[in-house]
Amino acid sequence: EVQLLESGGGLVQPGGSLRLSCAASGFITNNNGINGISWVRQAPGKGLEWVSSICGIGSGTYNADSVTGRFTISRDNSKKTLYLQMNNLRAEDTAVYYCAKLRSDYCTDPIDYWGQGTLVTVSS
Amino acid sequence: DIQMTQSPSSLSASVGDRVAITCRASQGIAYYLAWYQQKPGELPKLLIYGASVLQSGVPSRFSGSGSGTDFTLTISSLQPEDVATYYCQKYNSAPFTFGPGTKVDIK
Repeated sequence: EVQLLESGGGLVQPGGSLRLSCAASGFITNNNGINGISWVRQAPGKGLEWVSSICGIGSGTYNADSVTGRFTISRDNSKKTLYLQMNNLRAEDTAVYYCAKLRSDYCTDPIDYWGQGTLVTVSS
Repeated sequence: DIQMTQSPSSLSASVGDRVAITCRASQGIAYYLAWYQQKPGELPKLLIYGASVLQSGVPSRFSGSGSGTDFTLTISSLQPEDVATYYCQKYNSAPFTFGPGTKVDIK
């Protein structure tokens, strides 16, 4: 069974930092690593917003313009864990952050499993 | 960047009605279009990918069509359990933008 378990959310002041983690289990790719993974966020009462992706093949990463230069996605294949380092947080970053598995190793694939999400609140 | 729009933003229909939601990309994205369903208080769920491929386990009353810039999600016979917000997403290249969503209610 595919499982994605996020952690690391919480309350942080504007300008602060948080690191989200996503522990993945229940799936193995050809390279014995992790599928492509995306982080998607959803502000309270709002729609889905793609934030960042890391490909299972190679080390390609992609970020939305709204977080470029502030957020960094990474992974540790040996631990099957994904990370989202979030710096210089702003009030508009307040949202539930979902770790989401892509259908394959490629970033150009849709999401087929979603974690339960972790809430990030940026407020003074 | 390619912009994704959806119409309508919301709709209300009767049980058994045929419902169609449109998603439009500002530039061509071939078949790299997915549809997700998010019921109130639940996680999003993949319904369709490749514009028209039904994800395993999804009821056959859901179907997708289109290519290039114009796509449609159709529910052939609306059921009470289909009350949800539906999102399209492009995945041909980054940014992997979602549409703004279409909220579907029962009349």
